[in-house]
Amino acid sequence: GAGVSQSPRYKVAKRGQDVALRCDPISGHVSLFWYQQALGQGPEFLTYFQNEAQLDKSGLPSDRFFAERPEGSVSTLKIQRTQQEDSAVYLCASSPGRVVGVYEQYFGPGTRLTVT
Amino acid sequence: SQQGEEDPQALSIQEGENATMNCSYKTSINNLQWYRQNSGRGLVHLILIRSNEREKHSGRLRVTLDTSKKSSSLLITASRAADTASYFCATDHDYKLSFGAGTTVTVRA
Repeated sequence: GAGVSQSPRYKVAKRGQDVALRCDPISGHVSLFWYQQALGQGPEFLTYFQNEAQLDKSGLPSDRFFAERPEGSVSTLKIQRTQQEDSAVYLCASSPGRVVGVYEQYFGPGTRLTVT
Repeated sequence: SQQGEEDPQALSIQEGENATMNCSYKTSINNLQWYRQNSGRGLVHLILIRSNEREKHSGRLRVTLDTSKKSSSLLITASRAADTASYFCATDHDYKLSFGAGTTVTVRA
């Protein structure tokens, strides 16, 4: 079956531009996560949705980062006024259950953002 | 901030050999998971071990968990070229996964 998909796969933005990254989770998955992965590091948690509710956004690095999941399926991570330090791979993951940790997370291929 | 730390940072082995990597973490956990990441398939879940389990097997993978030492190990037996990847441990507390920086494994033919 279809896994988690993300688009675009690669994005080059000039500093100061706004970008929008899309995530299509596995159909029916309740939980959705965004992670940021810097080069040579493990993924770092950004935000968590349960259906359409954003239950945790404590990992978002600044108020330039905004995520939404208005209908409880597709999610968009938006970064305003991009900075060079935003360059990273942005990973989306989904999980079938409400109690995460009992379930594995299924990751998408990621969007590699390069800010020049 | 990343809770888990993998050791070693990098590992190079001959095909057919076993590969062992370790993970240490700082706070109490519900479960610990191991993931693999390579350029071809992205980040893939390998195995989950619950905090009340000590050892778990899945195919050529063996995971141990010692909650008293806050550590886990991943053993890959009879390695293959396709096992070349970065391996991450991830601890969860509530719903968040905290990943380490990973161990990069290279399997030489």
